[in-house]
Amino acid sequence: DTGVSQDPRHKITKRGQNVTFRCDPISEHNRLYWYRQTLGQGPEFLTYFQNEAQLEKSRLLSDRFSAERPKGSFSTLEIQRTEQGDSAMYLCASSLSRLNTDTQYFGPGTRLTVL
Amino acid sequence: KNEVEQSPQNLTAQEGEFITINCSYSVGISALHWLQQHPGGGIVSLFMLSSGKKKHGRLIATINIQEKHSSLHITASHPRDSAVYICAVPSSYNTDKLIFGTGTRLQVFP
Repeated sequence: DTGVSQDPRHKITKRGQNVTFRCDPISEHNRLYWYRQTLGQGPEFLTYFQNEAQLEKSRLLSDRFSAERPKGSFSTLEIQRTEQGDSAMYLCASSLSRLNTDTQYFGPGTRLTVL
Repeated sequence: KNEVEQSPQNLTAQEGEFITINCSYSVGISALHWLQQHPGGGIVSLFMLSSGKKKHGRLIATINIQEKHSSLHITASHPRDSAVYICAVPSSYNTDKLIFGTGTRLQVFP
């Protein structure tokens, strides 16, 4: 247990439905990252926050994806009008940004299956 | 754009064998990360290194900055070492972001 939690751990939904995932980082960590991982691949960066500010969004993140970190603590990732191609593991990580010691701590992931 | 390549993709070993997993990247970096992912998805950070060598238990990570290459070694491998090992490096245009390799799937048999 790294101290980063994600909820739910598994989500099965029908195409076209909206889903929302939650990530609770380690409490003192100011940075929070979202990644997506498909089978047989390494994680791919989606977006990240420093406190409540969203600093960058990957071009992988279509308009159907939105992420928030309203109070600089937990974060949510919402996918609207899900498609089968959204099926993947969604990973969250947090870090305390310091020079040269930005180790990221990963949560267990949310596995999304879109039918 | 920084590309990360790992080899081999899959690796099987007998318990007790010495394991080496390789990672090559294309542009200069400040640090390289080695991560372990067990079935079920959880990822654990093993090492972050910017030069030389680091050791933690039976795991040793080395990096050669000039050759843009890193290796992860496991001594006296054990079935519980079976996992996917992933290396990651900072993006060349935004060092806050990590670019990940596709991982090396290791299976250690008793």
